[in-house]
Amino acid sequence: QKEVEQNSGPLSVPEGAIASLNCTYSDRGSQSFFWYRQYSGKSPELIMFIYSNGDKEDGRFTAQLNKASQYVSLLIRDSQPSDSATYLCAVNAAAGNKLTFGGGTRVLVKP
Amino acid sequence: EPEVTQTPSHQVTQMGQEVILRCVPISNHLYFYWYRQILGQKVEFLVSFYNNEISEKSEIFDDQFSVERPDGSNFTLKIRSTKLEDSAMYFCASSAFGQNYGYTFGSGTRLTVV
Repeated sequence: QKEVEQNSGPLSVPEGAIASLNCTYSDRGSQSFFWYRQYSGKSPELIMFIYSNGDKEDGRFTAQLNKASQYVSLLIRDSQPSDSATYLCAVNAAAGNKLTFGGGTRVLVKP
Repeated sequence: EPEVTQTPSHQVTQMGQEVILRCVPISNHLYFYWYRQILGQKVEFLVSFYNNEISEKSEIFDDQFSVERPDGSNFTLKIRSTKLEDSAMYFCASSAFGQNYGYTFGSGTRLTVV
């Protein structure tokens, strides 16, 4: 069973600070990695994806990938109250046509 | 911004009844998916669909489930005989290039089986 693991949180962050979220995955053949944001009762919304080792920045978000350690992270800079949500890590199957999701990390940004 | 549209937003059904959940994917997308999320749990893959056929399905997607693309725009999920444990949020998703490029999810259908 291919697993994607995340700390469930909540991760409490003061407004303006950096939120750091982590995700580990078990399928060493996985090739692409995604971060989704999910507000309570809503559908997942794609924030960004990363394929290569290293960092990828998009606005206030930075994804970091380390395939050797099977680890992907998301940094949220200048956190805003509107960033309060559950962040889902998703990993593509090395073989097949699906994404495997982690359980999500709940982030609370306090004004 | 193109959207994936799902109807109904909420469906209540009696155990043993058949339900059909409907989705209109983004028009130029070729890959279609159904996922579900039981309250408080992970988003779980059900089935992927490409070129008018199922490309992969999970263990959850047993004989009670079926998918269909009856015309050029709709993509449906049918549950033949609903069980209490089928109560969940069902998300349709579509992608232009497959799972390596991420999906756009619809807003979901909350299915409640009583």
